[in-house]
Amino acid sequence: NAGVTQTPKFRVLKTGQSMTLLCAQDMNHEYMYWYRQDPGMGLRLIHYSVGEGTTAKGEVPDGYNVSRLKKQNFLLGLESAAPSQTSVYFCASSYWTGDSNQPQHFGDGTRLSIL
Amino acid sequence: QKEVEQDPGPLSVPEGAIVSLNCTYSNSAFQYFMWYRQYSRKGPELLMYTYSSGNKEDGRFTAQVDKSSKYISLFIRDSQPSDSATYLCAMSRRNTPLVFGKGTRLSVIA
Repeated sequence: NAGVTQTPKFRVLKTGQSMTLLCAQDMNHEYMYWYRQDPGMGLRLIHYSVGEGTTAKGEVPDGYNVSRLKKQNFLLGLESAAPSQTSVYFCASSYWTGDSNQPQHFGDGTRLSIL
Repeated sequence: QKEVEQDPGPLSVPEGAIVSLNCTYSNSAFQYFMWYRQYSRKGPELLMYTYSSGNKEDGRFTAQVDKSSKYISLFIRDSQPSDSATYLCAMSRRNTPLVFGKGTRLSVIA
């Protein structure tokens, strides 16, 4: 039972390069999320999705794009990487019951360095 | 004022001690309260989930929510070196994303 799987685990990019981070979940969750975690800043929400084909902005969306073409996958794209985007990126997913917020299940992160 | 405040520590205690971790918040509409544990180089994992006010106990862990004071706590009894991790509080209103505290780093010394 894999849960939430993030690919790749590590990556080094040069400023201006683009890349896509992949998140896959096998729990049939409706909601999926992308966070970044920086020292002293905690977890900050970048974008999230409440279902296939829908996305919404979080707290720090600038410089990122997302897509949710399939229910089990949530992609995070960096079109032109900047050193300020050096961070650890976490994907999470959760059920939606329509009546209450359910806990999120997290992947183990992608460590991204932008030189 | 940040919506959720959490002392980053670090907090260092001897094995067997009772640990108290706390968060305060400003949004009185928060209804769902969670505590996550995060080991180094791993993703957060859910420890406790509480709806509205009250206490919840699970083994050595107890979560308390005091909505009147806008204050939540996590107590760890008989702390073990394996409890050494960063503890994140998180909370939300209905059908809105979680808001996380910055996390408290805990070290339990054998």
